[in-house]
Parts: sequence; C-alpha cells; structure tokens
Amino acid sequence: ETGVTQTPRHLVMGMTNKKSLKCEQHLGHNAMYWYKQSAKKPLELMFVYNFKEQTENNSVPSRFSPECPNSSHLFLHLHTLQPEDSALYLCASSQGATGGRGTDTQYFGPGTRLTVL
Amino acid sequence: AQKVTQAQTEISVVEKEDVTLDCVYETRDTTYYLFWYKQPPSGELVFLIRRNSFDEQNEISGRYSWNFQKSTSSFNFTITASQVVDSAVYFCALRMDSSYKLIFGSGTRLLVRP
Repeated sequence: ETGVTQTPRHLVMGMTNKKSLKCEQHLGHNAMYWYKQSAKKPLELMFVYNFKEQTENNSVPSRFSPECPNSSHLFLHLHTLQPEDSALYLCASSQGATGGRGTDTQYFGPGTRLTVL
Repeated sequence: AQKVTQAQTEISVVEKEDVTLDCVYETRDTTYYLFWYKQPPSGELVFLIRRNSFDEQNEISGRYSWNFQKSTSSFNFTITASQVVDSAVYFCALRMDSSYKLIFGSGTRLLVRP
C-alpha cells in the first residue's frame, strides 16, 4: 500500500448506529487530518493531530470522536449521527512540524462516502 | 479573516482548448502558502502545486502553469491543450504559516469534451 488509504470507501448507517472510519498513511508523516466535504459547503477541516496530539478541533459536534493511536493511523468514531452528516470524509497526512508549519503539504486519501439514513 | 474565492462554478471546454481557473484569496498574514488540488470522480484530492507568499515566480509543469500575483491576491491555474482526463473539480486553498488548517475555495468543475 502506498500513500493514504481509507476504509471503508462507502458506509450507510442509521442514526442510532455506531461506526468507525479508518485512515492509514504510508508516507512516514507525523500529522494527520479529518476533513468533511458535503454538497453545500466547501471542504471543512474537522481535526488535526500532530505527533499523535490533537492540535485543532474545528468546533466539531461530539458525535464525531477522533482517535490517533500512532502517527500512521487515524480513526473517526461515529455515533448518533444526523442525516445532515452525510458527506465525503477525507483523511490527509503531512510531514508535520514541532515548530513552525513551514512548507507542510497535505496528501489526501480517497475518502469514505457516508450516508446517514 | 482568511478566505478563498473561486468564482467559476463550472467550465466546459472542447479538448485542446486552453482554460484558466481563477483563484482569489484574502489574508492579512505576510507568510502564507497557496495550493491547488485536483479531485477526479474517484474522490481523492490530488496535490498539484504549493506556492509560498514570498515567491511570486510563475511555474510551469508540462501543460499546467500557475500565475501568482500578490498585487491582485490571485493564484490562477492554466491548463494548455486540455484533455478529457483533465475533467475534474479543482480546488484552490490557502494556509497560514501559523496553522495546519487548509482553507479551501468552493471548487471549479472542469468538463473537457472530446
């Protein structure tokens, strides 16, 4: 596997279900991200992890819960979602930095298409 | 506040035509980075280019070229001799030096017809 992979690619869930999205990067990066892409809004950053520490939470509802056990893996745990949460969820990774952000470039996975019924 | 505007929602051209995708950004920071990404129907965002705010040199990569002008806060993308495989949604994005957050424009859907 190369680059950034995401599983599953498609997910349909009811509002009472609990599911998790998985992201894995094979680029040796230290920072990982979750983005949401819905039909009516531009791409929105949800969470950022840098060296396994969460550094940004973009006012995301608590029904979305991220987990970053190591620099290569990132999860997004979902529970009691709403139909308006239906979207493409994209994971990204970048080199990350301990100081300034510098010329950091984010590389994206193929996304998980989520439908909430 | 930072913002990226892609005023062209959709562009349709015939193969071999040249096409320019516009991007206008807003920021008061002096150090920032601009990006272009391509999103084909498969959904994955493919990185195309990164530009630093202190480097206004235009760049050419094959059929792709980018024109960065700080005076007009624009970072336009031109595809020369377009091909059907160029059909995709193209996103312009901005990032401050102080943050990891990418601020995306709303995207321009490019359709290249045979």
